[in-house]
Amino acid sequence: QQQVRQSPQSLTVWEGETAILNCSYEDSTFNYFPWYQQFPGEGPALLISIRSVSDKKEDGRFTIFFNKREKKLSLHITDSQPGDSATYFCAPYQGGRALIFGTGTTVSVSP
Amino acid sequence: SVLLYQKPNRDICQSGTSLKIQCVADSQVVSMFWYQQFQEQSLMLMATANEGSEATYESGFTKDKFPISRPNLTFSTLTVNNARPGDSSIYFCSTGTGLTEVFFGKGTRLTVV
Repeated sequence: QQQVRQSPQSLTVWEGETAILNCSYEDSTFNYFPWYQQFPGEGPALLISIRSVSDKKEDGRFTIFFNKREKKLSLHITDSQPGDSATYFCAPYQGGRALIFGTGTTVSVSP
Repeated sequence: SVLLYQKPNRDICQSGTSLKIQCVADSQVVSMFWYQQFQEQSLMLMATANEGSEATYESGFTKDKFPISRPNLTFSTLTVNNARPGDSSIYFCSTGTGLTEVFFGKGTRLTVV
């Protein structure tokens, strides 16, 4: 399968801090980059996404920064809350094909 | 949007037996995808199923072990043959519409004892 790498594997931040999650991919045909949030025992849920024509997408406390040339993107969670504790997956996509999930980053937010 | 219903939600089966997991969409979709997720790991794409044709399997997954049927545009079945404890995981069906919309079933948690 296509390689989609995420770092770090796990991350602990204090409440109120910014968590930065990184993702890199190989396939230059991907044109849509969603991030999924998954809580234990649940399925993945779409959190925020960006299309390859943009370099930044903001939705509340969540921001994606996208570098098409380097095939990298990052998810910033500002003012982290304990409820943000979950595993986050970068899942590059090209319409009509399956999502390819990254390795995931588990975020723990300590109050 | 598309709603995907998976059945069963969870199951426990004996080693060596087979289990069927059904996925039903509330509207017609071209492709259905099946994913496997082990505990605390990522979702791994198993196969892509289009109506009327054999499923396309990703590396590490075979038709003999995980046969998939796609008899029509709203239905797919994943079978786990000769189940082993190493098959214990959550199985998700998924589909995509248009350029950016992707939908998931709630998953089937399988435990093989």
